[in-house]
Amino acid sequence: NAGVMQNPRHLVRRRGQEARLRCSPMKGHSHVYWYRQLPEEGLKFMVYLQKENIIDESGMPKERFSAEFPKEGPSILRIQQVVRGDSAAYFCASSPVGGLYNEQFFGPGTRLTVL
Amino acid sequence: GENVEQHPSTLSVQEGDSAVIKCTYSDSASNYFPWYKQELGKGPQLIIDIRSNVGEKKDQRIAVTLNKTAKHFSLHITETQPEDSAVYFCAASNEGRNRDDKIIFGKGTRLHILP
Repeated sequence: NAGVMQNPRHLVRRRGQEARLRCSPMKGHSHVYWYRQLPEEGLKFMVYLQKENIIDESGMPKERFSAEFPKEGPSILRIQQVVRGDSAAYFCASSPVGGLYNEQFFGPGTRLTVL
Repeated sequence: GENVEQHPSTLSVQEGDSAVIKCTYSDSASNYFPWYKQELGKGPQLIIDIRSNVGEKKDQRIAVTLNKTAKHFSLHITETQPEDSAVYFCAASNEGRNRDDKIIFGKGTRLHILP
């Protein structure tokens, strides 16, 4: 059973370009969470999605950031017109359907560098 | 909302000695407390968790304690080894009441095991 997969692992963009980060959850998981981690900081929640639904986007900036988790395919975190402050590691986590547990399994992350 | 404080931010321990990382939380409704280990260049990995119906849980060299009254929980690593060097994150959430409840992370503790 493959773990959570993220790609690309490293992404370099110039200011003003778009960044697309992909996350494939573990098999059987339909809940996806995106986090941002700045250097020397903890994980900041951004958005929680289920298939075709955004459940909670309270941690995501209102502008330039969007996320989706379509019926088919990976979850996508999209950052438009990137700025230097967007440079960070972005982690995706997934959790299984149903149950009471919030146990989340993390992917290896995408490290975004904005030049 | 929930707020999780973690101390210390950096901890250096002689190999073979014990390491203790402490966290406090603010929301008395929180009932699930996972600990994650993040190695350099990787995503966080769940190493142990505790739920509010128990006060202590142990898994080989790792143990967690929970004091619900004081809203404290701690990670204890005994007989530390070089491979224990990593960043450790505590977290808190309310699972079961509402699947929309987020996991809130502390800022992390960078643990160095000295030879």
